[in-house]
Amino acid sequence: DTGVSQDPRHKITKRGQNVTFRCDPISEHNRLYWYRQTLGQGPEFLTYFQNEAQLEKSRLLSDRFSAERPKGSFSTLEIQRTEQGDSAMYLCASSLDRASSPLHFGNGTRLTVT
Amino acid sequence: KNQVEQSPQSLIILEGKNCTLQCNYTVSPFSNLRWYKQDTGRGPVSLTIMTFSENTKSNGRYTATLDADTKQSSLHITASQLSDSASYICVVRGGTDKLIFGTGTRLQVFP
Repeated sequence: DTGVSQDPRHKITKRGQNVTFRCDPISEHNRLYWYRQTLGQGPEFLTYFQNEAQLEKSRLLSDRFSAERPKGSFSTLEIQRTEQGDSAMYLCASSLDRASSPLHFGNGTRLTVT
Repeated sequence: KNQVEQSPQSLIILEGKNCTLQCNYTVSPFSNLRWYKQDTGRGPVSLTIMTFSENTKSNGRYTATLDADTKQSSLHITASQLSDSASYICVVRGGTDKLIFGTGTRLQVFP
C-alpha cells in the first residue's frame, strides 16, 4: 500500500491554458473522489467515481472541468480555459465501498493560475 | 440544510497544554462522524470515527466525543506537542453516503 499519489504536486499556468491532473488511488479502493480546497477552508466536493462510473458531480464543477476514470483505476481531472479563480489545492481521495471506510487523501496538486 | 460548523476557527496554545475543538452539525440522517488532521501542504488523515452509538473514543492523546442528541462532537488533545500543529476537520457522513465537511480549526502549538 503506497497510498494515494497525485501528480504533479505543483502546477503554474497562465489564464486560458488547459491543465490536467492525475490521481492514482490505493489499488483495492473502488471509490475515488476529487475535492478542491482554498486557504483556510475545508475541502469542497467536486465529483466521485464508483469504479469507472462517475456517480455524482457538484454544481461547482462547471463545464470547463471534466474528470475521468477510464479503467476504474487512476483518474484524471482536466480544467479547460483556466481562470484565476481556479487557483486552489486539488485533492484526490479513495476509499472502500463501505460507510465505515475512511477517505485516504493524496497530498494534492496546488494550481496557480497567473 | 446539511451543515457542519467548527469552532474555534483558529487556536494557539503552548506545548504541553490541553485543548478542545468543537463540531456542531445539522446533517440528517446521520451515519457517522470522522475527525481528520491536515498538516500544511498535505492531505487530511483520519484520526477517529464516531458512530451513533458511541459517546467517547480515544486514539493516543486524541479523544473524540459525540452527543447525537445535541448533534455535537468534540476533539480533545491532551499534552499537546509541536507536531499537533495542523488543521482539524470534522466530516459527517449523512444519508446516501453524502460527506459534509467542516471548514476546520487551525491549531498552532508553540514551545
